[in-house]
Amino acid sequence: GAVVSQHPSRVICKSGTSVKIECRSLDFQATTMFWYRQFPKKSLMLMATSNEGSKATYEQGVEKDKFLINHASLTLSTLTVTSAHPEDSSFYICSARRDRVAEAFFGQGTRLTVV
Amino acid sequence: QKEVEQDPGPLSVPEGAIVSLNCTYSNSAFQYFMWYRQYSRKGPELLMYTYSSGNKEDGRFTAQVDKSSKYISLFIRDSQPSDSATYLCAMSSSNTGKLIFGQGTTLQVKP
Repeated sequence: GAVVSQHPSRVICKSGTSVKIECRSLDFQATTMFWYRQFPKKSLMLMATSNEGSKATYEQGVEKDKFLINHASLTLSTLTVTSAHPEDSSFYICSARRDRVAEAFFGQGTRLTVV
Repeated sequence: QKEVEQDPGPLSVPEGAIVSLNCTYSNSAFQYFMWYRQYSRKGPELLMYTYSSGNKEDGRFTAQVDKSSKYISLFIRDSQPSDSATYLCAMSSSNTGKLIFGQGTTLQVKP
């Protein structure tokens, strides 16, 4: 399968600071990337869909000013958690698809802890 | 009613057993169906990808899609302790491209 690399795998930050998470498709061009949040023993909650070169589409209830998503190239999308608070602590995962009908490949996930 | 329903389990089987995992869905627009395996604290790994109805086999894994019943299955033959993980079904339609996930089923294969 195709490879999606997510970095960092783990980050601890202080409350009030911002954290950037990168998602790269290493061996294919991803026209669409997705960002998910996962709570312990729960399924993946879609936060937003990003298409290369256009603004991200956020799911209902997700604050777009808090979770900034940029999809500047066909191989890179970033999620920035701004002014992080302890309730933002979670497991964040990205996925990438070549197009709307292709299979989706996931990154390794980033465990964010806000202290 | 959720768009995709999946029994969270846990499901415990002895090594060598045939495992059957299932999902039901309500949106008839779904055409693309995927099964993922997720180990603790890791990203989901794609196991199977199928389009529309039918069967697909890959090694010990077989995926089945019955669009008329809105029901999909994943079978694991000769299950191994290393198969112990959470299995997530996911599906999408061509108009949005968004993946909709089931809750995931936790599987434990005992040696």
